[in-house]
Formats: sequence, C-alpha cells, structure tokens
Amino acid sequence: EVQLVESGGGLIQPGGSLRLSCAASGLSFSTYAMSWVRQAPGKGLEWVSIISGSGDSTNYADSVKGRFTIARDNSRNTLYLQMNSLRADDTALYYCAKGKGYTYGYPFDVWGQGTMVTVSS
Amino acid sequence: QSVLTQPPSASGTPGQRVTISCSGSSSNIASNTMNWYQQFPGTAPKLLIYGDNQRPSGVPDRFSGSKSGTSASLAISGLQSEDEADYYCAAWDDSLNGWVFGGGTKLTVL
Repeated sequence: EVQLVESGGGLIQPGGSLRLSCAASGLSFSTYAMSWVRQAPGKGLEWVSIISGSGDSTNYADSVKGRFTIARDNSRNTLYLQMNSLRADDTALYYCAKGKGYTYGYPFDVWGQGTMVTVSS
Repeated sequence: QSVLTQPPSASGTPGQRVTISCSGSSSNIASNTMNWYQQFPGTAPKLLIYGDNQRPSGVPDRFSGSKSGTSASLAISGLQSEDEADYYCAAWDDSLNGWVFGGGTKLTVL
C-alpha cells in the first residue's frame, strides 16, 4: 500500500522559515512526479508546487514563487518543501500528493494526511 | 478567485441524479484532461474521476465525468447520503504551468 506521511508543520512567526517533509513508502518513488497542495482553514484546495520524478524540473504557484523551494531525495523516498518569508496567508494544511505518472499532467492519486502550518505572531 | 469556476453548493434527495459543473478556459479544461476529487470533512481529498471520465478502482459507477470545450461536469446518479462531501475539479493549466482547482462544491443530500 502506498503511504505518504507529512511532517514539519507548526506555528511560525511571519517572515520565518519552515521545512516540510513527506516520507513515501510502498512505491517506486522516483517514478512519480510529486506535488504539494495546501488548504487554508475552511477554504478550497490550492496547488503549491510540483517536482518531476527525477527532481530536475520544478514549478510553483505564483503565490509562493521565490519564497518556497520543492526538492526530493529519491534515495530516501522523501519529498521536501522549504518555505521562507512566510506570511499569514500561507497558513494552511499542507498535503503531499503523488502524481499518477512521471510528468506533470498526471492527477494526484495518493494524498498524505497533511501537516498544519500556522503563520502568526 | 479560483481559475476554475464551480457552484459553491449543490443538493439532491436520495436516489436523485445531481450534476456539478466546472468552467475554465482554453489553457486548462480545453487543452488537458479533467479530474475530480472528493473530500470529506477532516480528511484528505480522494481522486474520484481522472482523464475526463475514468474511475479509479473502487469508485462506484454512480460517479461519471464528462467534458465539452471549456466546461466539464461531474454526475452522481442514485444519490446516497454518504455522497455528502466537497467536490473539486482540477486540471493542468498550460499558461500558468501548474495545476488549477475549482473553488469546490459542497454537496448536501437532503
């Protein structure tokens, strides 16, 4: 069974940094593109970033471009999201999501349980 | 403001057929396949429909998807109380080079 387990969330002050991790198991990790998707409290889903299976290609939503960095370590089956210059509107539950295929256009067929990030002073 | 437009709410009675619409543009829905997710309160989203009209294993055939031009629809036939959830449409956007979601539709079974 494929499992994704996020960690690293917490309460952080505006302007601070946080690194999220997503540990994957039960799959050939490097075969799949991976994304981060967030959901602010009581709001809808917002795609944040995507990385190809090899890790050599990434894309970001305009709302996080220049502040967030996605990365992966295929030897550790782990996905990361480095979040810098955090703002109050980054407050959300952050989901790690697996694409059905290697490249960007495949939908997300497995989701983690999410890790909560709260940006507040 | 979401790139894809969905009605915020929909409702139906048990046994009824309901549809949820999703409107987009030439750079997303018209160019790429449509996907739908189902989300219950406090849980992660689940892929419900992919590739416009394909169901992952385990999804009942009461759920179906269709697409025409820049619009898509999710249909649920034989509505059941356990279908009460939030539904999101999503597609890759060639202009934004990223995934775009609809704002979500809260389905209530009366």
